[in-house]
Amino acid sequence: AQSVTQLGSHVSVSEGALVLLRCNYSSSVPPYLFWYVQYPNQGLQLLLKYTTGATLVKGINGFEAEFKKSETSFHLTKPSAHMSDAAEYFCAVSLNQAGTALIFGKGTTLSVSS
Amino acid sequence: KAGVTQTPRYLIKTRGQQVTLSCSPISGHRSVSWYQQTPGQGLQFLFEYFSETQRNKGNFPGRFSGRQFSNSRSEMNVSTLELGDSALYLCASSPLGAEVPPYEQYFGPGTRLTVT
Repeated sequence: AQSVTQLGSHVSVSEGALVLLRCNYSSSVPPYLFWYVQYPNQGLQLLLKYTTGATLVKGINGFEAEFKKSETSFHLTKPSAHMSDAAEYFCAVSLNQAGTALIFGKGTTLSVSS
Repeated sequence: KAGVTQTPRYLIKTRGQQVTLSCSPISGHRSVSWYQQTPGQGLQFLFEYFSETQRNKGNFPGRFSGRQFSNSRSEMNVSTLELGDSALYLCASSPLGAEVPPYEQYFGPGTRLTVT
């Protein structure tokens, strides 16, 4: 069965600092992996997705993630945090090729202080 | 284009009642997925519909059901409500076929269901 584990339910960084949100997955087939962000009182928005090919994936708002098969990880990073990055971040693995049946991790809340 | 719309946005029901939630996908999107979000369990996949057919189903009891209409609008129904059904119910639509999969899901703002 496919599953996702996000390490750390809450991460706090200072503005300008590196953001690192951790995600490990379990999948019996080559996975399709996603990072979604949820701002307060809003729906989820796709940050980036990994399918096949290049293991370093670039997304919106300066975020990127690296797929490491040997570590079954898909960590999300951003070199310099901005106040507007404060939100909840979800890592997900897809049950199907279409990406329309997602198994989400429990989420990581990112706080950014000035 | 208008985004995914969900109605109603807020709902209060009593234990034992049933409820129907509605989702209108982005124009042209034929896939609709439903998720339940709770503080304890997080985001959980309920089911997905495409061309009026349920294609995928999560691990929820039979009290949770859904359907999709020919115009791609979707409804989900929960019968015999329990206190634990209190949650934010999110609907997401996907274009399918417009590009190489997997596709981005576009989420609505959700329906907040409170069961008392």
